[in-house]
Amino acid sequence: DTGVSQDPRHKITKRGQNVTFRCDPISEHNRLYWYRQTLGQGPEFLTYFQNEAQLEKSRLLSDRFSAERPKGSFSTLEIQRTEQGDSAMYLCASSLGLTNTEAFFGQGTRLTVV
Amino acid sequence: RKEVEQDPGPFNVPEGATVAFNCTYSNSASQSFFWYRQDCRKEPKLLMSVYSSGNEDGRFTAQLNRASQYISLLIRDSKLSDSATYLCVVKTDSWGKLQFGAGTQVVVTP
Repeated sequence: DTGVSQDPRHKITKRGQNVTFRCDPISEHNRLYWYRQTLGQGPEFLTYFQNEAQLEKSRLLSDRFSAERPKGSFSTLEIQRTEQGDSAMYLCASSLGLTNTEAFFGQGTRLTVV
Repeated sequence: RKEVEQDPGPFNVPEGATVAFNCTYSNSASQSFFWYRQDCRKEPKLLMSVYSSGNEDGRFTAQLNRASQYISLLIRDSKLSDSATYLCVVKTDSWGKLQFGAGTQVVVTP
């Protein structure tokens, strides 16, 4: 499979625990995005990378959230001290980063904080 | 005000009918526009890009009105399989992020 892959697909965690998600983009894509989506809403932008550089972070990304893309390939999104409000689908997408080029999404990681 | 706004619907459409809906965006510097389709509990997938002159892809027609800052999508001869949420996506420039609307739900009924 040469698409965007995310791991795990589902995660159930207790409030206060830390979780980490992984995204493997399409290999030649230099742009990588993280989004969060809750029921009935469109994907909300969290952050994105151009190669290994994190170019922008949303105000949604509190200090409990951190994302990395250390070698410009895969990326991780960590949430520390999870809260029930963090329950959502976390989507990763990658693209070539050029105008008018589409972004391809992974199947997402569904996080449930209990 | 959200950067990208859509009518959430649902638009209930008889099979074979035509349905159209719009999306408005707030940033006049936006350069790239897309419609994505999202099925229930699945990831968004590109339906079509939207070009200034308007473009068609089979039964789907997209239009862009830069002066009024809106994008439209029209679906002709609706099929049951067209039932989904349609996400309007705007990108400011090649360095910019993708901004999504909340989606318009379309339900095609037999």
